[in-house]
Amino acid sequence: DAGVTQSPTHLIKTRGQQVTLRCSPKSGHDTVSWYQQALGQGPQFIFQYYEEEERQRGNFPDRFSGHQFPNYSSELNVNALLLGDSALYLCASSLGVSGGRIETQYFGPGTRLLVL
Amino acid sequence: AQSVAQPEDQVNVAEGNPLTVKCTYSVSGNPYLFWYVQYPNRGLQFLLKYITGDNLVKGSYGFEAEFNKSQTSFHLKKPSALVSDSALYFCAALADGSARQLTFGSGTQLTVLP
Repeated sequence: DAGVTQSPTHLIKTRGQQVTLRCSPKSGHDTVSWYQQALGQGPQFIFQYYEEEERQRGNFPDRFSGHQFPNYSSELNVNALLLGDSALYLCASSLGVSGGRIETQYFGPGTRLLVL
Repeated sequence: AQSVAQPEDQVNVAEGNPLTVKCTYSVSGNPYLFWYVQYPNRGLQFLLKYITGDNLVKGSYGFEAEFNKSQTSFHLKKPSALVSDSALYFCAALADGSARQLTFGSGTQLTVLP
């Protein structure tokens, strides 16, 4: 049973460029959340996708956008990159509808983005 | 707004001794609490969660956590530490009615000394 997978593992971009990160959820999961983890900090919630729509968003600018595909995989897009966007980007998958149960989010290995 | 605090950036413990990693939370409504572990250059691995019921929660790799509502704490514990437990530990919370956005603490680096 494959866990959450992310690609690429590492990425180097320059300021002003655009980047796309990809995530495939754990088998059986239909919800994908994205988090940003800056060096030495805890992950910060960016947004969550369920049924191909953004269901909730954290305190991130519109430069951060996403998409979920019919197979539940997801992309995170960041436009006009800033030096401060350098971070580990984590994808987490879970079950979106579970009769009111609180579902665990399972994380992928992350994509390390460096903006120069 | 909900928040999670991990008051210790670093915890050192000798192998074989018990370990505790502290976490306090502030959420409105019922708290749902989680512990994750992160090894270098890796994602987060789920250890355990408290949803409701017994205040002592058992998880993976011999870890357990004690939920204390009056002290708004959720400390991670293990009776006998292993060198391989050395890693970065994160406490996280979901607020009741918003089972979507995990709020994380700043993390505690655990070092188990041989």
